[in-house]
Amino acid sequence: AQTVTQSQPEMSVQEAETVTLSCTYDTSESNYYLFWYKQPPSRQMILVIRQEAYKQQNATENRFSVNFQKAAKSFSLKISDSQLGDTAMYFCAFAGTSYGKLTFGQGTILTVHP
Amino acid sequence: DARVTQTPRHKVTEMGQEVTMRCQPILGHNTVFWYRQTMMQGLELLAYFRNRAPLDDSGMPKDRFSAEMPDATLATLKIQPSEPRDSAVYFCASGPRGGTDTQYFGPGTRLTVL
Repeated sequence: AQTVTQSQPEMSVQEAETVTLSCTYDTSESNYYLFWYKQPPSRQMILVIRQEAYKQQNATENRFSVNFQKAAKSFSLKISDSQLGDTAMYFCAFAGTSYGKLTFGQGTILTVHP
Repeated sequence: DARVTQTPRHKVTEMGQEVTMRCQPILGHNTVFWYRQTMMQGLELLAYFRNRAPLDDSGMPKDRFSAEMPDATLATLKIQPSEPRDSAVYFCASGPRGGTDTQYFGPGTRLTVL
């Protein structure tokens, strides 16, 4: 069974600064997908970024980028130029290629201060 | 802008009552997932459909929960009888290509069982 661990229950950052959220996972599969989802106070689950394990290049979406270390089973999210609207709970998630079920980490609450 | 829709958004009911939650997946998506979010358990999978067929409902309490897809545009999750421990946010998500690609979440149904 896959497990996803987010070791930082809460993080805070000043507006315009950079913050990195950590995620580690455990799996025996060789190919899979990793995701970061954002959940603001509205509760809506919003996809932030997606990484395919067979791609060595780290995914990037505007201010959001990941550091994917397959051998270490690590998948961290870097948010650059943090904005107040980035305040949310962030979930790291894993999906195997044989089964689409998402396995989520416990989440990290990120607060961006003005 | 294609979205997953869920109704109702909020539901307050008394213990023992039947609760039905509905989900309209994104047109063309062939997989539907039901997740439950609680403070204690986080996000957990309840049921998974592909091409309207149930593939996995091992996360559901079988004696009281049931999930169906009467057609490609509607998925339902029913609880009968409801209990206070069922109080949670229930999310529906849909995905293309067998579910191993990105899942798109609905806004959730916040259920409170008194």
